[in-house]
Amino acid sequence: DQQVKQNSPSLSVQEGRISILNCDYTNSMFDYFLWYKKYPAEGPTFLISISSIKDKNEDGRFTVFLNKSAKHLSLHIVPSQPGDSAVYFCAAKDRNDMRFGAGTRLTVKP
Amino acid sequence: NAGVTQTPKFQVLKTGQSMTLQCAQDMNHNSMYWYRQDPGMGLRLIYYSASEGTTDKGEVPNGYNVSRLNKREFSLRLESAAPSQTSVYFCAIKGLGTGELFFGEGSRLTVL
Repeated sequence: DQQVKQNSPSLSVQEGRISILNCDYTNSMFDYFLWYKKYPAEGPTFLISISSIKDKNEDGRFTVFLNKSAKHLSLHIVPSQPGDSAVYFCAAKDRNDMRFGAGTRLTVKP
Repeated sequence: NAGVTQTPKFQVLKTGQSMTLQCAQDMNHNSMYWYRQDPGMGLRLIYYSASEGTTDKGEVPNGYNVSRLNKREFSLRLESAAPSQTSVYFCAIKGLGTGELFFGEGSRLTVL
């Protein structure tokens, strides 16, 4: 029962272009959404989040968009940099329960 | 990953052997978690502890036990390891603000 889905296992973009990572969820009780970034041999690190009462949150090059009616969120990275190459996990939170998607491997080519 | 320390970082076990993964935090947070990461499955919650002395099952608790003896430490035990438990295990603590998790560096376990 995957309540959080990232349907694209991988994404490749050119340096300087926009990266768009997508995430869908099924549980309407989720009230907080997060993106984590993971480099090889390291633990995931928190990147950006959004509350269910908002539809957009921006932090530098990173913007998260939330469409509650579609149960969909996306992470935009612009401009993309080679150092952004990593696995990105979408997560959704409901009180004590935080569910993660399977991850999308982003490769930014110089 | 500062603040959350996991040991060991790597371990190879034979089927049926037991072992304990240790996690310690120096951030004085209440909630601690154990996740496993498998290809195509993302991070799945095994057990969590909302405070010292309490533990609760997560999404995939079968085959595991946990212990939260004090606020600082949260251990994960495999009593009789199985090949299906080959995975990367992450300990995490919950931030005091909006609830984001801070993860350790992970423990890679292989069960032969």
